[in-house]
Amino acid sequence: RKEVEQDPGPFNVPEGATVAFNCTYSNSASQSFFWYRQDCRKEPKLLMSVYSSGNEDGRFTAQLNRASQYISLLIRDSKLSDSATYLCVVTRPGFDMRFGAGTRLTVKP
Amino acid sequence: EAGVVQSPRYKIIEKKQPVAFWCNPISGHNTLYWYLQNLGQGPELLIRYENEEAVDDSQLPKDRFSAERLKGVDSTLKIQPAELGDSAVYLCASSLASGGASDVQETQYFGPGTRLLVL
Repeated sequence: RKEVEQDPGPFNVPEGATVAFNCTYSNSASQSFFWYRQDCRKEPKLLMSVYSSGNEDGRFTAQLNRASQYISLLIRDSKLSDSATYLCVVTRPGFDMRFGAGTRLTVKP
Repeated sequence: EAGVVQSPRYKIIEKKQPVAFWCNPISGHNTLYWYLQNLGQGPELLIRYENEEAVDDSQLPKDRFSAERLKGVDSTLKIQPAELGDSAVYLCASSLASGGASDVQETQYFGPGTRLLVL
């Protein structure tokens, strides 16, 4: 079993839709959590950190459930430009960062 | 401010040949990472440097891969000899700090990567 697991998708949604991605992690000692975005043939870029209290950045909302070892990302009012692969990232003590395989999103007109 | 710089962007070599990748991190970033990314997968850490010290190289295949970060700034990753299975994207990233620092300090910034094709 991989340490960080994501639904690979692809998720194909129309513009304006709300879409949610889930991520589970196996190491209960994990400390920091992030969502990165990666466009096709580009490098990953930080989308947002994920805090225990949940956090929002515009149309994006991230949630963390430590008890269930589960992270989510919600995108509201999807735009064409949101089409990308979304990578769930988890770090352990000693800062051993682990990436999920990513969830691919395609937003269609 | 300049981002992480990597070169070359693309490399095609025949198997058993050596290859080297170069990375220049963001100025002031003490931590430097090399990742390997296969198609359809997330990046996998190969090695992490704190300044010039390799603090995590447990995932680096040391029989053929080597890395160095002289003077704690630029870094090179070498493969010798390359195998067909080494074809992938090699990503370099840097961060201000790591290991329990704030998430701002831990945020990694990636370079554009080097796409390696071994024939």
